[in-house]
Amino acid sequence: GAVVSQHPSWVICKSGTSVKIECRSLDFQATTMFWYRQFPKQSLMLMATSNEGSKATYEQGVEKDKFLINHASLTLSTLTVTSAHPEDSSFYICSAFSGGEYQETQYFGPGTRLLVL
Amino acid sequence: GENVEQHPSTLSVQEGDSAVIKCTYSDSASNYFPWYKQELGKGPQLIIDIRSNVGEKKDQRIAVTLNKTAKHFSLHITETQPEDSAVYFCAASRAGDMRFGAGTRLTVKP
Repeated sequence: GAVVSQHPSWVICKSGTSVKIECRSLDFQATTMFWYRQFPKQSLMLMATSNEGSKATYEQGVEKDKFLINHASLTLSTLTVTSAHPEDSSFYICSAFSGGEYQETQYFGPGTRLLVL
Repeated sequence: GENVEQHPSTLSVQEGDSAVIKCTYSDSASNYFPWYKQELGKGPQLIIDIRSNVGEKKDQRIAVTLNKTAKHFSLHITETQPEDSAVYFCAASRAGDMRFGAGTRLTVKP
């Protein structure tokens, strides 16, 4: 299957600082990437859809000024959590479309655990 | 929008037994249904998927069935092993818009 990486795998930061998370498709080009958030023992909640070369589409309730998404190339999308607060602590996971048998298949990265103190 | 319901939320089986997880969806236009396995602290991994023009798909010990009329689909795992223990998510997708079920925590007891 297609490989998606994320960096960092975990990060601890102080309240008020910004944190950038990278998502890379390693062996394929991804015109569309997705950012999810997952709280403990809960399902994946879609935050935004990232399209290469254009603005991200955010889900209702997700603050676009707080969660900045940049999809600068066909293999890289970044999520920046600005002015992070303890309630932003969560597991952030990206995914990307790959060709595959079904064009809609999403392959997920390993996730980034964010802890805001 | 699409609403995916998944049952049960937890499932415990004895090693070697079968496990079945069921999902229903609300949007009749959804046409792609993947299943993901998520181990603790890791990202979800695709284990099997099916498209709406197919009723059943099998891959070794894993099978998925789809009833498009009733709008429900199921994951079947046979001859379960302890390493099958994880959280399983179903999803329904239409034109790339994918929505997930709440997840099922499967525990396989040795």
